[in-house]
Amino acid sequence: DQQVKQNSPSLSVQEGRISILNCDYTNSMFDYFLWYKKYPAEGPTFLISISSIKDKNEDGRFTVFLNKSAKHLSLHIVPSQPGDSAVYFCAASVQGGSEKLVFGKGMKLTVNP
Amino acid sequence: SQTIHQWPATLVQPVGSPLSLECTVEGTSNPNLYWYRQAAGRGLQLLFYSVGIGQISSEVPQNLSASRPQDRQFILSSKKLLLSDSGFYLCAWSTGTAYGYTFGSGTRLTVV
Repeated sequence: DQQVKQNSPSLSVQEGRISILNCDYTNSMFDYFLWYKKYPAEGPTFLISISSIKDKNEDGRFTVFLNKSAKHLSLHIVPSQPGDSAVYFCAASVQGGSEKLVFGKGMKLTVNP
Repeated sequence: SQTIHQWPATLVQPVGSPLSLECTVEGTSNPNLYWYRQAAGRGLQLLFYSVGIGQISSEVPQNLSASRPQDRQFILSSKKLLLSDSGFYLCAWSTGTAYGYTFGSGTRLTVV
């Protein structure tokens, strides 16, 4: 049973446009969400996070939106740059719980020049 | 500053051979340690995690085992590799999920 779902395996956008990456979760106990970015042959790196007490968190070109009622979060990248081309993983956890992050399958973003 | 070292970067092993992947963390004490695997076409699958020396939790029944002989050392092992053990293995550490994980650079394992 996959608790964190990234249903679209890939996304292609033009440089300068907005990239929207979606993530759904099924476990209502999750209260902390993170996005990771991964280049080929490298480990994932932390990008941005959001607590369930918020519905939006912004860091430069990256914004994460959380809709708890829909159990849905999204990552917006504006404007998209070719260097953003990577695989993006959504992850979720229960604070004070088992200290485990549950990851989605990832989405490959390609930003075309 | 904290750093995480994982080696080797790539490994090609025959079926039935043993495996030992090592991960060490510097600059922090009593970290939570994790082993993940990314198989072809799949996401990041948690294999093992440890909240202290000698404490190992297994997430998925499989051909692998993990050990934590020292506070900042985490080892992934197998006595006999299977073809299905091929994948990209990642070690990670955290001081609590509120701060996310820091991943190592990974090991690409190909079992032939």
